[in-house]
Amino acid sequence: QQPVQSPQAVILREGEDAVINCSSSKALYSVHWYRQKHGEAPVFLMILLKGGEQKGHDKISASFNEKKQQSSLYLTASQLSYSGTYFCGTEAYSSASKIIFGSGTRLSIRP
Amino acid sequence: SQTIHQWPATLVQPVGSPLSLECTVEGTSNPNLYWYRQAAGRGLQLLFYSVGIGQISSEVPQNLSASRPQDRQFILSSKKLLLSDSGFYLCAWSEGDNQPQHFGDGTRLSIL
Repeated sequence: QQPVQSPQAVILREGEDAVINCSSSKALYSVHWYRQKHGEAPVFLMILLKGGEQKGHDKISASFNEKKQQSSLYLTASQLSYSGTYFCGTEAYSSASKIIFGSGTRLSIRP
Repeated sequence: SQTIHQWPATLVQPVGSPLSLECTVEGTSNPNLYWYRQAAGRGLQLLFYSVGIGQISSEVPQNLSASRPQDRQFILSSKKLLLSDSGFYLCAWSEGDNQPQHFGDGTRLSIL
């Protein structure tokens, strides 16, 4: 079952913050986050494996609440380069190896 | 370092024609391999994945098939293409379960 991402789209001014959410109805082993620029392949950002785990990459960080089967991606002090579509991908305990992606969140950053 | 090659980059095919897209990975052994399709402006739809030679899991029962003739080679095929098969096809690999996926550059397939 496809995870649900919200919001579907976000428009920010450079320097503003954003949060993208991902939730699943299945018990999750891991959550992946990817960014896709227009016309390009998705690029891996980070993977979260444990309940409550948080990770950071520059000014992009994420959390994973295993009990709630939810993950959030935090983008702080957004830069123009952060523009693109963000996808979460989930691996469930019941189906390891199989990654199901959400429908994506389109992030637009304006100067 | 590991690299993934996917070709061709673009393809225009008539309805009813066959299809073969190839993906190869270098610099690793026994990777998990994946085929995704992305319609314009949409998300990534998992089509097939493989955790080893001869092991193919199909997620979408359509007129597509996949094969893994060698450890690091993944092929997507169709005997007769439909208009609905148009899209951006992406191959990806990972080192195993709960590992990052690395995508190829993709193939843009247009069906006329």
